[in-house]
Amino acid sequence: EDQVTQSPEALRLQEGESSSLNCSYTVSGLRGLFWYRQDPGKGPEFLFTLYSAGEEKEKERLKATLTKKESFLHITAPKPEDSATYLCAVQIGSSNTGKLIFGQGTTLQVKP
Amino acid sequence: DTGVSQDPRHKITKRGQNVTFRCDPISEHNRLYWYRQTLGQGPEFLTYFQNEAQLEKSRLLSDRFSAERPKGSFSTLEIQRTEQGDSAMYLCASSLGVREMGNEQFFGPGTRLTVL
Repeated sequence: EDQVTQSPEALRLQEGESSSLNCSYTVSGLRGLFWYRQDPGKGPEFLFTLYSAGEEKEKERLKATLTKKESFLHITAPKPEDSATYLCAVQIGSSNTGKLIFGQGTTLQVKP
Repeated sequence: DTGVSQDPRHKITKRGQNVTFRCDPISEHNRLYWYRQTLGQGPEFLTYFQNEAQLEKSRLLSDRFSAERPKGSFSTLEIQRTEQGDSAMYLCASSLGVREMGNEQFFGPGTRLTVL
């Protein structure tokens, strides 16, 4: 069964304290891996797409990497405004619809 | 704003009532998805449209749920005889086709449903 697992479930950081979020996946053929940010009461906001192992994408303080079994979202010197839930999702090769399979998310809190 | 829009943003209803939600995708996007998200969980796929054709439905979508996308533009999701277990955030997303590689989906703000 296709599965996506994120860890940790929750993460508290001090402002400036760098860390990483993990997304492990077990799927039948990866077409793409996606990272989204979700603020409370809002829809997910697209951050990155990764297609193949070894690929990296960066945006401000965020950097996403991909291996054959997992993806990491590295947060460098986070600020309080980075506080949100970060969602990882995959599109699998066996699906022609492009539907996303999500992990449960990591809730990040950055304290000033 | 040319993003995905959803209406209403919040809906409170009594058990047994019918509700309908609307989604307006990004105008040039031919693919439209509905997801459901409960507290502390990631979104779960409900159904998918390519233009006006509904091509996939999740087993989560019971007979009480129906979705349409007339003329391949906006979409509606109707829940009949609502139950307390239907309380969730209903999210709509759209995308511009599926390449050999993955394609990004852009989400609306969601409709928060509370069934009393």
